[in-house]
Amino acid sequence: AQTVTQSQPEMSVQEAETVTLSCTYDTSENNYYLFWYKQPPSRQMILVIRQEAYKQQNATENRFSVNFQKAAKSFSLKISDSQLGDTAMYFCAFIPDSNYQLIWGAGTKLIIKP
Amino acid sequence: SQTIHQWPATLVQPVGSPLSLECTVEGTSNPNLYWYRQAAGRGLQLLFYSVGIGQISSEVPQNLSASRPQDRQFILSSKKLLLSDSGFYLCAGEARLNTEAFFGQGTRLTVV
Repeated sequence: AQTVTQSQPEMSVQEAETVTLSCTYDTSENNYYLFWYKQPPSRQMILVIRQEAYKQQNATENRFSVNFQKAAKSFSLKISDSQLGDTAMYFCAFIPDSNYQLIWGAGTKLIIKP
Repeated sequence: SQTIHQWPATLVQPVGSPLSLECTVEGTSNPNLYWYRQAAGRGLQLLFYSVGIGQISSEVPQNLSASRPQDRQFILSSKKLLLSDSGFYLCAGEARLNTEAFFGQGTRLTVV
């Protein structure tokens, strides 16, 4: 079975600090896509960053970057210079190329303290 | 860009009443569509997904059903709601061309 694991149910850091959210996944597929989504209190889901498994270069989007380790099946999200508006639930998600079925982690609640 | 219209945003229904939540898709054809439920403080639980008209896969046995009468329409239903059906329901889609998921606004259902 294909699974996504987020081992940190909740994290809390001070504003302007850097924080890393962990995500590991299990699959036998070779081609797939990985995503981090942010869910603020409004409950809307916002795409933060995406990574194609065939690309070795880590994706970066402004203050957000990933550390993609394909052999270790790890896909962590780093948020630099954290801001109060980063407070949200963060979900790691995975889409295998074979069936395009979204598979989600349980989420990490991130709190940025002033 | 792809968008999902999901309604209503909030709903309060008595136990035993029927339910119909609808989402419609714009901006893409033949998307994969999903219904998720999010209980308070918990992650997203996949309820149903659909790869095409009339094709529904159920991930969790429950009091709910889903239908896809048209390519861009996905409906979540129940004949008789239970208290345990309360939660936040999210419709999601995924365009086959770019694999990026897009989401509706969600519906907060309270069964009383």
